[in-house]
Amino acid sequence: QSGLTQPASVSGSPGQSITISCTGTASDFGTYNYVSWYQHHPGNPPKVIIFAVSNRPSGVSSRFSGSKSGNTASLTISGLQAEDEADYYCSSFTSDITVLFGGGTKLTVL
Amino acid sequence: QLQLQEAGPGLVKPSETLSLNCSVSGYSISSGYNWGWIRQPRGRGLEWIGHTYHSGTTYYNPSLKGRVSISVDTSRNQFSLSLTSVTAADTAVYYCGRRDGYNAFDFWGQGTLVTVSS
Repeated sequence: QSGLTQPASVSGSPGQSITISCTGTASDFGTYNYVSWYQHHPGNPPKVIIFAVSNRPSGVSSRFSGSKSGNTASLTISGLQAEDEADYYCSSFTSDITVLFGGGTKLTVL
Repeated sequence: QLQLQEAGPGLVKPSETLSLNCSVSGYSISSGYNWGWIRQPRGRGLEWIGHTYHSGTTYYNPSLKGRVSISVDTSRNQFSLSLTSVTAADTAVYYCGRRDGYNAFDFWGQGTLVTVSS
């Protein structure tokens, strides 16, 4: 395992779309492609917004979408809103049966 | 509605043992799922500590192995974290959470700050 790499920061204007990448190795993502994404507003616990690469939990806005190609998972947020400003983390289930978190990406809505 | 709540000392001395409990309400731990701990040092990202199944099978972050232990008390519907030989590097907000079958932590406690200092 080498860890999941995310950009430290991304930014966008309201209404725009942004994509956050999460890059690892095949071992980092394991066999099951159990990639999750979390939204974290400081002072609150993280909230899962995507699970199993591209699935949204009930109640999560359809503006959030996930995908994966090769050893890179991606989170796309469309129609950016001020409330989307937060830290975002990817997470995987590795071939060593451990859980990895990416380093986190700070999203700024301009 | 499922709720989790962390409890434990907010201050631990270096070389001592950090012990936290997570009380679960609204769901019986013995019914299934994994139950785990995640921490976030100030200014840094999330770090998985480990998780346990209600049967007691546990999985730990290799970077902490040897110092960490997670146990379940189904009679009290709670699970616990023990981290030995702590240093300042273990200062963090500690979260407990429920991990589902897709490796997603779908319910989280509010988090508790633990500071390691003499």
